[in-house]
Amino acid sequence: DTGVSQDPRHKITKRGQNVTFRCDPISEHNRLYWYRQTLGQGPEFLTYFQNEAQLEKSRLLSDRFSAERPKGSFSTLEIQRTEQGDSAMYLCASSLDGNPQPQHFGDGTRLSIL
Amino acid sequence: GNSVTQMEGPVTLSEEAFLTINCTYTATGYPSLFWYVQYPGEGLQLLLKATKADDKGSNKGFEATYRKETTSFHLEKGSVQVSDSAVYFCALIPGANSKLTFGKGITLSVRP
Repeated sequence: DTGVSQDPRHKITKRGQNVTFRCDPISEHNRLYWYRQTLGQGPEFLTYFQNEAQLEKSRLLSDRFSAERPKGSFSTLEIQRTEQGDSAMYLCASSLDGNPQPQHFGDGTRLSIL
Repeated sequence: GNSVTQMEGPVTLSEEAFLTINCTYTATGYPSLFWYVQYPGEGLQLLLKATKADDKGSNKGFEATYRKETTSFHLEKGSVQVSDSAVYFCALIPGANSKLTFGKGITLSVRP
């Protein structure tokens, strides 16, 4: 069990640029989640996948955000035309099927917008 | 809607002191409750969980009991160590829904 892996750990970019993050879940986990965490707050849900199907998206996920999990394994989260307010830690988690299953988190990708 | 409220922090304790971190929740249906911990420089880790009323979750000397009548899930430890210094998050999954709803978290510092 290698845990949930996220890449990159840190991303610094200029406002208006596009960024893409990758998440590799624990191999036998069917569910994959994305959360966003800002300073002094708890993580907030963005979206989740059951295998390759995106089953729910938060209202936090504006049209500039898109997430994919094309083969039901790794996932990518893309932010287009980044804004200052996008600066945050982006967390990925995975779990087995069924409720409630504990979600296992990666170390996150910290995004800083200049 | 669903929400989790944690007591205001930060909390600073001496080693071997008793710890209580309060957590209350609002949820539809019967949520499952969790405590996650984030040690400095590390990712979120599940500390303990409880899935129904009166369940007690426990791990690493920490305990929390699911109290439906008071909608609470307070975290306790009888004797804290310096290594317990971290940020603690209370969270819930409401009913059949999958997504976690987190509290704001509280920073615990334990001094020798």
